[in-house]
Amino acid sequence: RKEVEQDPGPFNVPEGATVAFNCTYSNSASQSFFWYRQDCRKEPKLLMSVYSSGNEDGRFTAQLNRASQYISLLIRDSKLSDSATYLCVVKTGGYQKVTFGIGTKLQVIP
Amino acid sequence: NAGVTQTPKFQVLKTGQSMTLQCAQDMNHNSMYWYRQDPGMGLRLIYYSASEGTTDKGEVPNGYNVSRLNKREFSLRLESAAPSQTSVYFCASSEGRGIDGYTFGSGTRLTVV
Repeated sequence: RKEVEQDPGPFNVPEGATVAFNCTYSNSASQSFFWYRQDCRKEPKLLMSVYSSGNEDGRFTAQLNRASQYISLLIRDSKLSDSATYLCVVKTGGYQKVTFGIGTKLQVIP
Repeated sequence: NAGVTQTPKFQVLKTGQSMTLQCAQDMNHNSMYWYRQDPGMGLRLIYYSASEGTTDKGEVPNGYNVSRLNKREFSLRLESAAPSQTSVYFCASSEGRGIDGYTFGSGTRLTVV
């Protein structure tokens, strides 16, 4: 089993839709979790950290389920500008123990 | 406020040639990293520098060397390029407190023919 697994998509959704991505991780000792956004041929940029109690930033909501070992990202009222690849990142401690998922591609359609 | 600056942005090498990828950050971050990104794979850590004066191997260090020149600069060297090193390379930095996120440079697209 991969350390971090994501559905690569693509997810094609109409503008205004709500879309959710999940990311599962295999190491129960994982400590920190993040969602990054990567536009085509650009560098990844931190979208948001994921806290145990869940957290929200505008239209974006991140949640962590330690029992089932997954994190999720919910995007409400999708915009065309949300089209990108969303990377799940899991830290298990130490500089080497950072694992990136392959990313989930989102395409928001007019 | 440049953040993390990488040079060059594009490079084509012949097998066996050498080159150095440069990276500099102006955020006073302690830790710096080199990643490669290949299609269908997540970013993989090549080398990292937890603080000035230290460097350590990551997941895929073979064929690469690094130098942490000072707190700002962290370079990646390919001594004898191979086609398997064709990839997009990203430099990143972080404060190094363990739970913080990374700031990435814009990447170097390297093709080895």
